[in-house]
Amino acid sequence: KQEVTQIPAALSVPEGENLVLNCSFTDSAIYNLQWFRQDPGKGLTSLLLIQSSQREQTSGRLNASLDKSSGRSTLYIAASQPGDSATYLCAVNDYKLSFGAGTTVTVRA
Amino acid sequence: SAVISQKPSRDICQRGTSLTIQCQVDSQVTMMFWYRQQPGQSLTLIATANQGSEATYESGFVIDKFPISRPNLTFSTLTVSNMSPEDSSIYLCSVHTSGSLYEQYFGPGTRLTVT
Repeated sequence: KQEVTQIPAALSVPEGENLVLNCSFTDSAIYNLQWFRQDPGKGLTSLLLIQSSQREQTSGRLNASLDKSSGRSTLYIAASQPGDSATYLCAVNDYKLSFGAGTTVTVRA
Repeated sequence: SAVISQKPSRDICQRGTSLTIQCQVDSQVTMMFWYRQQPGQSLTLIATANQGSEATYESGFVIDKFPISRPNLTFSTLTVSNMSPEDSSIYLCSVHTSGSLYEQYFGPGTRLTVT
């Protein structure tokens, strides 16, 4: 059974600082890995999807890396803004999604 | 991508009653998924719904408690039956795109409170 862990559970940074969010998973036989953003009481917004054959994926200020052999992914958010405050979820797709518990980010103005 | 809507967006229900949640997608999809997010927790898959066949339930979830319908390729319902306060959660439906990417998209969720 796939186990997904996200560290840290919570993070508070001043505006402008770069964010580094970590995700680890136990079974490397995956199709892809997705990073989602969830605002309080809301649904999930897909941020990035990295296919199992890729090492990296970028979208604007967001960059995600994937090291399938070691079961790790990292989401980098450059030059954080208060609007980046949310919970970030990592989900591993081996046809079904297995979610980590999330990292709650607060960006202080 | 896919645009997903859910009804209702929220509800407050009394214990012992049932609630049916609707999920509508703007395109035809083979698989639809129902997730539960309990307060302060991450998402847990309840079941996978294929059109024309019975839903496949994950360990810990049973059809009598969470009956699912999938009458066509754009619509599904999840019923939460005989509710108790422990059923208070956000319920989300999702779909994944066709092809090899299997990127998943989520609806806005239904926030259920059971009193």
